[in-house]
Amino acid sequence: AQKITQTQPGMFVQEKEAVTLDCTYDTSDPSYGLFWYKQPSSGEMIFLIYQGSYDQQNATEGRYSLNFQKARKSANLVISASQLGDSAMYFCAMREEGYGGATNKLIFGTGTLLAVQP
Amino acid sequence: GAVVSQHPSWVICKSGTSVKIECRSLDFQATTMFWYRQFPKQSLMLMATSNEGSKATYEQGVEKDKFLINHASLTLSTLTVTSAHPEDSSFYICSAIRNREDGYTFGSGTRLTVV
Repeated sequence: AQKITQTQPGMFVQEKEAVTLDCTYDTSDPSYGLFWYKQPSSGEMIFLIYQGSYDQQNATEGRYSLNFQKARKSANLVISASQLGDSAMYFCAMREEGYGGATNKLIFGTGTLLAVQP
Repeated sequence: GAVVSQHPSWVICKSGTSVKIECRSLDFQATTMFWYRQFPKQSLMLMATSNEGSKATYEQGVEKDKFLINHASLTLSTLTVTSAHPEDSSFYICSAIRNREDGYTFGSGTRLTVV
């Protein structure tokens, strides 16, 4: 069964600094996708970045980059130049895309609450 | 971009009554919709997966008779919490997908409080 682990319940970062949010995963499916979402206090889910298991390069989207280490089964999110508006809950999620992927189920980690300090 | 409308955004109901939550894809046909439940400061727990015209697939531990899911069309899925109890109070959020390449679109969520 697929599993996502986020070991940091909460993180502080100074404004304008970079921060790394950890995510490890486990799956027996050779093909899978990894996602990061931001959830502000309003509750909406905001898609940030996607990494496919066969992608050769680490994904980047503006200030967000994904440090994908396949052998370690980790997919850490790096936010550069933190802004006050980055304060939110961040979730790592995984979808199996091979033989386990028919359902397109997206399974979430426990999340990391990020607080950006001025 | 793709939009999913979820209603109501919040609801308070009396214990023992039923509550229906709607999730509607406004500008695309959703082949699959997902229902999640989230307790404060916790993860999104997948409750069930629904495909248009077929019965929902529930995750282990989710009571099918309590959380009724109907996916009547490619643009509408509903979650009915039957005989609600205070422990059902939670944030419920739906997600829809047209195809794998387009990704997931989430509704804005429904905060249910059972008193």
